[in-house]
Amino acid sequence: DIQMTQSPSSLSAFVGDRVTITCRATQNIYNYVNWYQQKPGQAPKLLVYAASNLQSGVPSRFSGSGSGTDFTLTISSLQREDFATYYCQQSYSTPLYTFGQGTKLEI
Amino acid sequence: QVRLQQWGAGLLKPSETLSLTCGVHGATLNSHYWTWIRQAPGQGLEWIGDIDDTGNTHYNPALRSRASVSVDTSANQFSLRLTSVSAADTAVYFCARSTYSFVGGSPHNWVDPWGQGILVTVSA
Repeated sequence: DIQMTQSPSSLSAFVGDRVTITCRATQNIYNYVNWYQQKPGQAPKLLVYAASNLQSGVPSRFSGSGSGTDFTLTISSLQREDFATYYCQQSYSTPLYTFGQGTKLEI
Repeated sequence: QVRLQQWGAGLLKPSETLSLTCGVHGATLNSHYWTWIRQAPGQGLEWIGDIDDTGNTHYNPALRSRASVSVDTSANQFSLRLTSVSAADTAVYFCARSTYSFVGGSPHNWVDPWGQGILVTVSA
């Protein structure tokens, strides 16, 4: 199985900060990574697919990059509504599309 | 706008069968896979399995022996059954749509949108 390891597990930041979350895969998965945002009590929401493609309706302050085994999600200027938990997911290894353990972004 | 609404029993005893259904509104079941994912309390996300409108399925190997996903195209809904549940199956269960599409010439898939989630508790 492909394991996805996110870092950090938690992160404190201020409104206006630039934040980067990292996800590392245990093998080459090219650009088969998606990123999701989950707020407490809610379902996850897709932010980025295929490593760097912004989902429709997602603010442009979010961006994704990377290929191979190392991927990043960047928020260029944190807004209050961005405080949430973020998950990466590999979509390379069917049928087990594993997720990272999550990064909790706190004020 | 596509919306998924899910329902089913929220409290089970060990060895019983979990049964959840997800209704799809604003889209038909064609041309997508329909997915179940769960999240144990305070934990991360675990892919359970998915199905397309013709009945083709994929399952998490760890759950394949107990999980079954089915589709009812006439009712525009899909379902999950998980047999012989134990406390380890206590989780919020989400239904969702998986989109398979070409990006830059290569096939990719991603999950969006998601249902609201149902907490299923397994307890004697």
